Amino acid sequence: QVQLVQSGAEVKKPGASVKVSCKTSGYTFIDNYMHWVRQAPGQGLEWMGWINPNSGGTNYAQKFQGRVTMTRDTSISTAYMELRSLRSDDTAVYYCARGTGTGQWLRFDPWGLGTLATVSS
Amino acid sequence: EIVMTQSPATLSVSPGERATLSCRASQSVSSNLAWYQQKPGQAPRLLIYGASTRATGIPARFSGSGSGTEFTLTISSLQSEDFAVYYCQHQFTFGPGTKVDIK
Repeated sequence: QVQLVQSGAEVKKPGASVKVSCKTSGYTFIDNYMHWVRQAPGQGLEWMGWINPNSGGTNYAQKFQGRVTMTRDTSISTAYMELRSLRSDDTAVYYCARGTGTGQWLRFDPWGLGTLATVSS
Repeated sequence: EIVMTQSPATLSVSPGERATLSCRASQSVSSNLAWYQQKPGQAPRLLIYGASTRATGIPARFSGSGSGTEFTLTISSLQSEDFAVYYCQHQFTFGPGTKVDIK
């Protein structure tokens, strides 16, 4: 079955960077875009961007432009999300989610279990 | 930019009852809408996509309807495991969620 296994929780100081990994299995990694979504404590879901694992092309939400980089390593079927210049309001659970379908059929399925990143001095 | 809204924010329902959740788009999104369920401490799970197509393994008590700007997720007979937060999504935009809790 399709699985997305994320790296463990992180604690960072303001101004630092965090890099989260998402190791995939059960499907052909380059066939599906990978999306990153975050959720602050007690809040809703916020889309951060996607990476095309085949080409390495990316599309970031405007809010994160200049602070986020999404990469991949096709040899190990793993996607990465790095967020820089961390602030306290970046404290959140960060999810990777496989994108499936296009147009009206677009959906995120499945999701990784999430990686909690805590930003605190 | 399309804005997604959901109502109500919280829905209190007794087990076995029907739950009707609403999602509205600020402009037409055709049938480009998905629904997710999220339980505390868990990742979201896809329920419905294309406004009305159930995802693999989703029980038939979950159904989606609507097109354009108005959408509905219906849970025909709430089970204990259905108490959760439900999000609608259009492309890369999520609604704020509806929490379904026990009445």
